[in-house]
Amino acid sequence: NAGVTQTPKFQVLKTGQSMTLQCAQDMNHNSMYWYRQDPGMGLRLIYYSASEGTTDKGEVPNGYNVSRLNKREFSLRLESAAPSQTSVYFCASSESLGNQPQHFGDGTRLSIL
Amino acid sequence: QQQVKQSPQSLIVQKGGIPIINCAYENTAFDYFPWYQQFPGKGPALLIAIRPDVSEKKEGRFTISFNKSAKQFSLHIMDSQPGDSATYFCAASRSGSARQLTFGSGTQLTVLP
Repeated sequence: NAGVTQTPKFQVLKTGQSMTLQCAQDMNHNSMYWYRQDPGMGLRLIYYSASEGTTDKGEVPNGYNVSRLNKREFSLRLESAAPSQTSVYFCASSESLGNQPQHFGDGTRLSIL
Repeated sequence: QQQVKQSPQSLIVQKGGIPIINCAYENTAFDYFPWYQQFPGKGPALLIAIRPDVSEKKEGRFTISFNKSAKQFSLHIMDSQPGDSATYFCAASRSGSARQLTFGSGTQLTVLP
């Protein structure tokens, strides 16, 4: 039972390049989330998906897009990467919205030069 | 705007000591207060959570104390061990609408052997 799996684990991009971060969960959870973690700032929500077919903006959505491909998969896309998007990105899932525990993947470490 | 303020930023204790990490929140609508533990290279994992109808919750060596009137809550780790060395994040959210976890900035705990 893998839980939440994120790929890739590491990535280096040049400014202006695009890429998609992949996330898949095998816990049959309805809700999924994308966070970024920066030193001294905790985790900040980028986008979330309450259920398959829905997505909503979080605290810091600018420069990102998401796709809830199916119940298992939730991807995050950077269309034109900027150095300010250098961060560690975490995907999480929970049974539903509401006060439910969120289960996190191990992150994607993204550097943009 | 930082809705959950966490202190201290880092903390060093001897084995067997009782580290205390504090968090203060601003939004009185918050009604769910989890603590997450994160080891290097891993995603955060839920440690313990409390709701505002109780003033204290214990799970093993971990205790949350909650002061609703002061809008503060804290994590105490009894008989701390080197294996507890990690980064700890407090968080808060509210039910009723689409829930978003607001995280504190994190505390890096080191327990010396």
